[in-house]
Amino acid sequence: NAGVTQTPKFQVLKTGQSMTLQCAQDMNHEYMSWYRQDPGMGLRLIHYSVGAGITDQGEVPNGYNVSRSTTEDFPLRLLSAAPSQTSVYFCASSHTENEQFFGPGTRLTVL
Amino acid sequence: TQLLEQSPQFLSIQEGENLTVYCNSSSVFSSLQWYRQEPGEGPVLLVTVVTGGEVKKLKRLTFQFGDARKDSSLHITAAQPGDTGLYLCMDTDKLIFGTGTRLQVFP
Repeated sequence: NAGVTQTPKFQVLKTGQSMTLQCAQDMNHEYMSWYRQDPGMGLRLIHYSVGAGITDQGEVPNGYNVSRSTTEDFPLRLLSAAPSQTSVYFCASSHTENEQFFGPGTRLTVL
Repeated sequence: TQLLEQSPQFLSIQEGENLTVYCNSSSVFSSLQWYRQEPGEGPVLLVTVVTGGEVKKLKRLTFQFGDARKDSSLHITAAQPGDTGLYLCMDTDKLIFGTGTRLQVFP
């Protein structure tokens, strides 16, 4: 099992550009979620999904879109990147509300 | 909005020392998890506590859940350099993480 994989590992964008952060898991977990982590802060929930076709907003959803067409994949889309979105992004998956397994993260810089 | 405050924010200690970090909530936890995150990696689960007053041990780590389920502590006995990392508490129902305690253990 690869667990939770995220691509890319690093990304630099210019203000206004759009991009998709990829997340995939091979553990057949129902729950998937996206977090961002900023210096000196814990992780903040952006969006989450409790199963294919179902998504909901977390604490900081503005500027981000998600979709969950399959159990395995949960991409995060930045519609129009802003410098405030410079952060490290983590995807996680879990079986119901148990242990979350985190990916290695995507470090995003918006200039 | 629930707030999870962790203290201390930073901790630098020598190998062999004991330490305790705290997680306090403005509201009652349904259940709480502790994670450790090493630089450049995602958090990894250490423990889940569910019942008020519960105590769990994981080798040199002792986790306690407050009776009122609004606070938790993590005690490390005889810290080692391998314990270095960011310790995070999380409300499992709301998926809210605490602010984190960054621990550095020097040999």
